[in-house]
Amino acid sequence: AQSVTQLDSQVPVFEEAPVELRCNYSSSVSVYLFWYVQYPNQGLQLLLKYLSGSTLVKGINGFEAEFNKSQTSFHLRKPSVHISDTAEYFCAVSLRSNDYKLSFGAGTTVTVRA
Amino acid sequence: NAGVTQTPKFRILKIGQSMTLQCAQDMNHNYMYWYRQDPGMGLKLIYYSVGAGITDKGEVPNGYNVSRSTTEDFPLRLELAAPSQTSVYFCASSYGTGVENNSPLHFGNGTRLTVT
Repeated sequence: AQSVTQLDSQVPVFEEAPVELRCNYSSSVSVYLFWYVQYPNQGLQLLLKYLSGSTLVKGINGFEAEFNKSQTSFHLRKPSVHISDTAEYFCAVSLRSNDYKLSFGAGTTVTVRA
Repeated sequence: NAGVTQTPKFRILKIGQSMTLQCAQDMNHNYMYWYRQDPGMGLKLIYYSVGAGITDKGEVPNGYNVSRSTTEDFPLRLELAAPSQTSVYFCASSYGTGVENNSPLHFGNGTRLTVT
């Protein structure tokens, strides 16, 4: 079975600074990878996904992530954050053979300070 | 377009009571899911459905039941509520699978349940 580890539970960051959220996955077969964002009192929304092709994936709101197969990682980055990026971020993985079932990481809370 | 609608938003149950969490989607999605979210644990899949009349267990199905009589609705039933079921419950739906049809999960805004 696949699993996801998010290496940081909380990431405080100043406005306009860069941020990186780390995600490692475990699977013996090919996977799809996702980042979702959850704003307070809301459901999750898709930020970006890697299915195939280019390992650098660009998503909404200026976020991007890089799939690294050798390191089994899918880290999320943004070069300059805004106060509105304060949210919880979830990395998720699914098997290519069963891609409608996602396994989520525990989440990383990003707090952006002025 | 309402998307995924969950009711109620909040509920407090006493131990042993039962209730049904409602979920409806108007996007004609085949796939529907129930997740629970606990602090520091991420989301855990309770049950899922790949179409009307078809349901299957996820990671944490014990204490829950589901049905899928229509494409639109996917209610989650708690028969004998326990404190361990205190959580935030999210319903989600998606359209398709595979590289060409893989679609994101569309989430409702959640139901916050407390069992005391």
